[in-house]
Amino acid sequence: EAGVAQSPRYKIIEKRQSVAFWCNPISGHATLYWYQQILGQGPKLLIQFQNNGVVDDSQLPKDRFSAERLKGVDSTLKIQPAKLEDSAVYLCASSLMVSTYEQYFGPGTRLTVT
Amino acid sequence: DAKTTQPPSMDCAEGRAANLPCNHSTISGNEYVYWYRQIHSQGPQYIIHGLKNNETNEMASLIITEDRKSSTLILPHATLRDTAVYYCIRSGGAQKLVFGQGTRLTINP
Repeated sequence: EAGVAQSPRYKIIEKRQSVAFWCNPISGHATLYWYQQILGQGPKLLIQFQNNGVVDDSQLPKDRFSAERLKGVDSTLKIQPAKLEDSAVYLCASSLMVSTYEQYFGPGTRLTVT
Repeated sequence: DAKTTQPPSMDCAEGRAANLPCNHSTISGNEYVYWYRQIHSQGPQYIIHGLKNNETNEMASLIITEDRKSSTLILPHATLRDTAVYYCIRSGGAQKLVFGQGTRLTINP
């Protein structure tokens, strides 16, 4: 079974630039999550999708972050414009559905904002 | 607010059992206890979860106290590949996982 795929793995941008991350969840997984993990901290949930609908985006900084999951499969997370404090690893995870217990995480995208 | 308390770091000798404690004294009756681990430069990996009974799978055992205020994750025969940050998480519905800072477990040869 293929795991959660993310790209790119690394990205370096200057502040005020924009960036986009892509995630392909495990086939058949209805629920998709984006997390932000700042160095030395645990992951923090940014947004959760069930199919192509948003379940929870309460911690997404909506003035600069946006995410979509068209057709209920792949998802993109965008930051525009980026700030220095956005430097982090962005993790995508998926689960079979909201009520299942196990989330499968991708390898993450490491973003450095200079 | 992670709502669980874990020691920041622990060491264990290879081949011995690693016992990782977690305090969740304010856990609600409908909240499960989940354990995930994160090996360096990888995404977190699910280990095990439980509600009130002890649980065991191919990776680990989870012992939950009768009052559910604390739990212990047991890796029965730790190997070097078990070196990771271990997260204890309490969660109710909708699979909302709130990660704390976890315990950094180092397995020594």
